[in-house]
Amino acid sequence: EAQVTQNPRYLITVTGKKLTVTCSQNMNHEYMSWYRQDPGLGLRQIYYSMNVEVTDKGDVPEGYKVSRKEKRNFPLILESPSPNQTSLYFCASSPLGRFSTDTQYFGPGTRLTVL
Amino acid sequence: KQEVTQIPAALSVPEGENLVLNCSFTDSAIYNLQWFRQDPGKGLTSLLLIQSSQREQTSGRLNASLDKSSGRSTLYIAASQPGDSATYLCAVRPHAAGNKLTFGGGTRVLVKP
Repeated sequence: EAQVTQNPRYLITVTGKKLTVTCSQNMNHEYMSWYRQDPGLGLRQIYYSMNVEVTDKGDVPEGYKVSRKEKRNFPLILESPSPNQTSLYFCASSPLGRFSTDTQYFGPGTRLTVL
Repeated sequence: KQEVTQIPAALSVPEGENLVLNCSFTDSAIYNLQWFRQDPGKGLTSLLLIQSSQREQTSGRLNASLDKSSGRSTLYIAASQPGDSATYLCAVRPHAAGNKLTFGGGTRVLVKP
């Protein structure tokens, strides 16, 4: 089954404790992306990757890091989490978008609470 | 900068009534527009994708229209069912070179039996 998986699904942590949220897709997609969703602000892009070893900032990259060492994986790293990073996080993947019909596939989300 | 707005933020209708969800965007130079459904704990599911050259797209009880010149899209859901209760998001892709989507805030729909 074609899917995007994220782990963990729920996480409660404390300020300053480094954490990683994993994302994996089994569709051989070149493009992967991280979004955060906050009430009243919608989904906003954090980082994206066009292919292995190619990453770039989205609209709200501060406080986050990513890496793309393998095509299927795109982990989101919070080196020193702060309470304002409490949010619902989504990973997404898609073909590189040469065609206007290419849709994005989203993971189930990771609800992060930073105390 | 592209901005996407969805009004109303929430909607409650009795079962069987048709649903009309609105999406507006500020920059008409879009590549495509997508409607997603979001269920708690289950991520986003793509419902319909309308290319910039299309006026509408249909799938079962769902029909989405696109008017680029006025910066609007409408999602129609015919004969609503309780299972249609969810949050509906629209998102625009600005150009072919990038896959980034700009999302609206969503409309939370409740269909009452």
